[in-house]
Amino acid sequence: EVQLVESGGGLVQPGRSLRLSCAVSGFTFDDYAMHWVRQAPGKGLEWVSGISWNSGRIGYADSVRGRFTISRDNAKNSLYLQMNSLRAEDTALYYCGKDMEGGLGYCMVDNWGQGTLVTVSS
Amino acid sequence: QSVLTQPPSVSAAPGQKVTISCSGSSSNIGNNYVSWYQQLPGTAPKLLIYENNKRPSGIPDQFSGSKSGTSATLGITGLKTGDEADYFCGTWDSSLSAGVFGGGTKLTVL
Repeated sequence: EVQLVESGGGLVQPGRSLRLSCAVSGFTFDDYAMHWVRQAPGKGLEWVSGISWNSGRIGYADSVRGRFTISRDNAKNSLYLQMNSLRAEDTALYYCGKDMEGGLGYCMVDNWGQGTLVTVSS
Repeated sequence: QSVLTQPPSVSAAPGQKVTISCSGSSSNIGNNYVSWYQQLPGTAPKLLIYENNKRPSGIPDQFSGSKSGTSATLGITGLKTGDEADYFCGTWDSSLSAGVFGGGTKLTVL
């Protein structure tokens, strides 16, 4: 059974940092691209960042480029999102998602975690 | 504003059929695969359609997808109250080098 479990969310002050993690199991992690997708309260889905199977290709939404860094450790079956200079508008439920392909350029997310909530507030 | 445009809401009676549209451009829908997701209240999104018109295992043929040019459509037949959810389209945008989603469509089964 495929499982994706996010962690690391919480309440943080504006301007501070947070690191999200996503631990996966049930599939060969280093065969697939991975994504972070967020959903602000009562809003739609927003793609945040994606990374190819071997970290050779990485992408960011304009809203987070330069502040967030995605990475993966294939040996640990884990995906990460380092979030710096957090803003109130970053408040959202952050989902980790598995792509159906290994390369970055499809965004076909066939498995999702349950999300970890990030609240940016003073 | 979302890169992909969906109607905010659609509604239909139980047993009827509904379609949800998703409009984009040549840099996203026009040259990349479209996926569709269902999000029931309080849950994570679930993949319904990938590669424009394919269903993952376990997804009933009640759900169908199509694409023409820079637009895509999700069709849902035999509506049940359990189908009430938010539906999102998604794809890759080659110009932005980023994933993109529609704003979502809330389906109400009257």
